[in-house]
Amino acid sequence: AQSVTQLDSQVPVFEEAPVELRCNYSSSVSVYLFWYVQYPNQGLQLLLKYLSGSTLVESINGFEAEFNKSQTSFHLRKPSVHISDTAEYFCAVSDLGNQGGKLIFGQGTELSVKP
Amino acid sequence: DTEVTQTPKHLVMGMTNKKSLKCEQHMGHRAMYWYKQKAKKPPELMFVYSYEKLSINESVPSRFSPECPNSSLLNLHLHALQPEDSALYLCASSQEGTGDYEQYFGPGTRLTVT
Repeated sequence: AQSVTQLDSQVPVFEEAPVELRCNYSSSVSVYLFWYVQYPNQGLQLLLKYLSGSTLVESINGFEAEFNKSQTSFHLRKPSVHISDTAEYFCAVSDLGNQGGKLIFGQGTELSVKP
Repeated sequence: DTEVTQTPKHLVMGMTNKKSLKCEQHMGHRAMYWYKQKAKKPPELMFVYSYEKLSINESVPSRFSPECPNSSLLNLHLHALQPEDSALYLCASSQEGTGDYEQYFGPGTRLTVT
């Protein structure tokens, strides 16, 4: 069975500081990895995904995540955060044999950016 | 158009009422999903439809009844709900019902059961 652990439930940070949101997964098969963001009172939006190829993936708004197979991690980073990055961030996995599209979500990390 | 729409945005219903939630997408996606999300928790998968057929039911109580009338539309019929069913109900769609396609989420319907 797959599982996802987001090690920090809350991450407070000052504006323009760097941030890392940690995600570890457990699976006996190869996986696809996703980061979704949820702003207050909204649905989830895909931030970035790793399917195959380069282990470093980037989003259009400055976030990046690196797939580390040996450490079974997919940590999310941003070198300089903005107030508008305040949101809940979910790491999720699905596996290559997944015929139902089922995503396994972590518990979420609340990123709070302060001025 | 990469939008999933959901109506209504808010719904308050009594435990004896019958109501329906509606979800629509016009991206040509062949898989659609219902999730339930409680405050400060991740979404929990309820149902998956693939090519208009129910492919996953995560042991959801029968008071929730999904329906997929066509490839663009997904409904969730609600009957005799309990207060603990109060939550944000999210609909999502993806190009195919396999794990490598990203899911596009709607804004959700916030349901309160009184």
